[in-house]
Amino acid sequence: GNSVTQMEGPVTLSEEAFLTINCTYTATGYPSLFWYVQYPGEGLQLLLKATKADDKGSNKGFEATYRKETTSFHLEKGSVQVSDSAVYFCALTMDDKIIFGKGTRLHILP
Amino acid sequence: DADVTQTPRNRITKTGKRIMLECSQTKGHDRMYWYRQDPGLGLRLIYYSFDVKDINKGEISDGYSVSRQAQAKFSLSLESAIPNQTALYFCATRPGGESNQPQHFGDGTRLSIL
Repeated sequence: GNSVTQMEGPVTLSEEAFLTINCTYTATGYPSLFWYVQYPGEGLQLLLKATKADDKGSNKGFEATYRKETTSFHLEKGSVQVSDSAVYFCALTMDDKIIFGKGTRLHILP
Repeated sequence: DADVTQTPRNRITKTGKRIMLECSQTKGHDRMYWYRQDPGLGLRLIYYSFDVKDINKGEISDGYSVSRQAQAKFSLSLESAIPNQTALYFCATRPGGESNQPQHFGDGTRLSIL
């Protein structure tokens, strides 16, 4: 069946560090891929998405590229800020089914 | 105003009580979902609805029921609450049709069962 695996947290970085959160998926077909972010006390909100192979989603300095050959959708940011501290979820949708990873908590230290 | 509104935001109640969590949306989306979030487990799907007459069980529906009163309203009920239903509950919506559309989430209901 379809699944999403993302790196376990928490991830702790200093401000201005480079961020990578790994996400890999298994799917029978061609899913759409998403990263959601959850700030404290809030629901999930869409951060970025990619709908086909080699697409790059980007938003707020974050990027992720849909890699069909490695079934991956890793989240990256060149210089993180304290305000990026949150929980990040990788997700896929296919045939109206939505699968979430377990989430990665990110702490950014000033 | 929020596009997806959940009420109440917080609720503390006792074992055995009946509880209803409500969700309303102004986005005009056909699809609505209820999830629970527990630490370290991510989101787990309880129930989902593709329209008013279409209700489906998710992966953890036991102990829960839902009602889709209108396109804009989707309620989750715990008929007889138990402590292991203590969690953060989220409602989400999504437009029908294409799978490349994201979900839109409410801010959640924090439920504690004593």
